[in-house]
Amino acid sequence: GAVVSQHPSWVICKSGTSVKIECRSLDFQATTMFWYRQFPKQSLMLMATSNEGSKATYEQGVEKDKFLINHASLTLSTLTVTSAHPEDSSFYICSAPAFTTNEKLFFGSGTQLSVL
Amino acid sequence: QQQVKQSPQSLIVQKGGISIINCAYENTAFDYFPWYQQFPGKGPALLIAIRPDVSEKKEGRFTISFNKSAKQFSLHIMDSQPGDSATYFCAASIAGTASKLTFGTGTRLQVTL
Repeated sequence: GAVVSQHPSWVICKSGTSVKIECRSLDFQATTMFWYRQFPKQSLMLMATSNEGSKATYEQGVEKDKFLINHASLTLSTLTVTSAHPEDSSFYICSAPAFTTNEKLFFGSGTQLSVL
Repeated sequence: QQQVKQSPQSLIVQKGGISIINCAYENTAFDYFPWYQQFPGKGPALLIAIRPDVSEKKEGRFTISFNKSAKQFSLHIMDSQPGDSATYFCAASIAGTASKLTFGTGTRLQVTL
């Protein structure tokens, strides 16, 4: 299947700093990518839809100034957690639909963010 | 509002047994129902998926049963193995927003020896 690479796999940062997470589609182009957040032992919650060449679409309750999304190319989307605080600590996962069918979502391996 | 309800929360099955996870949905506009498997510290991986026009789909040891009238679908894992121990999520989406999945709450499966 299609491969989605996410980096870094884990990051520890100090409160108040910004953290950038990258999501790449390795063997296909993705005009759309999705960013999810997952708390321990909970389900995945969609945060935003990243659109290549245009602004991201955020889900209700997600602060767009806090979670900056950039989809600069057909294979790369980035999520920047700005001025991170301990409550932002979570598992962040990106995904992209395979170009052959928009229904098959392929997920990255996730990024565990810990804010001290 | 939780649009996809999943049960049980956790499940322990002996090796060789059948694992059954159930999901129920509310939105009749949903028309794509995938199941994902997630290991700790990893992203979910697509396991198997079904559309409402069929009542059952089988791939290897994994089977989805779908009941459109009851708005329910389930995952059956036959001959469960310790390597199947993971968290399983059902999901649903609507035509036209196919990639915008609504996930169930997840089931932690443990297969014992």
